[in-house]
Amino acid sequence: GAVVSQHPSWVICKSGTSVKIECRSLDFQATTMFWYRQFPKQSLMLMATSNEGSKATYEQGVEKDKFLINHASLTLSTLTVTSAHPEDSSFYICSARGDRNLYEQYFGPGTRLTVT
Amino acid sequence: SQQGEEDPQALSIQEGENATMNCSYKTSINNLQWYRQNSGRGLVHLILIRSNEREKHSGRLRVTLDTSKKSSSLLITASRAADTASYFCATLRAGQNFVFGPGTRLSVLP
Repeated sequence: GAVVSQHPSWVICKSGTSVKIECRSLDFQATTMFWYRQFPKQSLMLMATSNEGSKATYEQGVEKDKFLINHASLTLSTLTVTSAHPEDSSFYICSARGDRNLYEQYFGPGTRLTVT
Repeated sequence: SQQGEEDPQALSIQEGENATMNCSYKTSINNLQWYRQNSGRGLVHLILIRSNEREKHSGRLRVTLDTSKKSSSLLITASRAADTASYFCATLRAGQNFVFGPGTRLSVLP
């Protein structure tokens, strides 16, 4: 399958600071990327969907001003957690989909964010 | 939106026993996939079954799909301690995002 990377794999930051997480498709063009969040011992919940060159679509209850998503190229999407708080501590996972096969999506390895 | 529920939510078995996990979903799907996640790690894709398939095998894994009941099951045979993990089903419709079930936490005791 295709390869999706995330960077960093883990990050610790202080309350009030911003953190940027990158999601890259390494060997295909990802027209759509999805961002998921997973709290401990829970399942993955979709946060937002981003299409290259357009604004992200956020799920209900997800603050778009807090979780800034940029999908500026066909291989890169970024999620910026602004003014992070301890309750934002979570595992963030992206998935990417090309435009050739709408049934296939590939997950990144995830980023563990800890806000102190 | 979240759909799908795994049953049981937690399962503890002895090494060598079989483990069965069930998943239900609510809407029509194109395919259903099972993933494994070790504690604190990313998702590992296990198996994909399409909506026109009823059963699929991969090594010690057997997946069934009943679209009339909107349910799927994952069977792990001859379990090993290394199978200890959380298992999620995820449904996919063309052009849309994955929708994950809540997961089953499997513990395989040596």
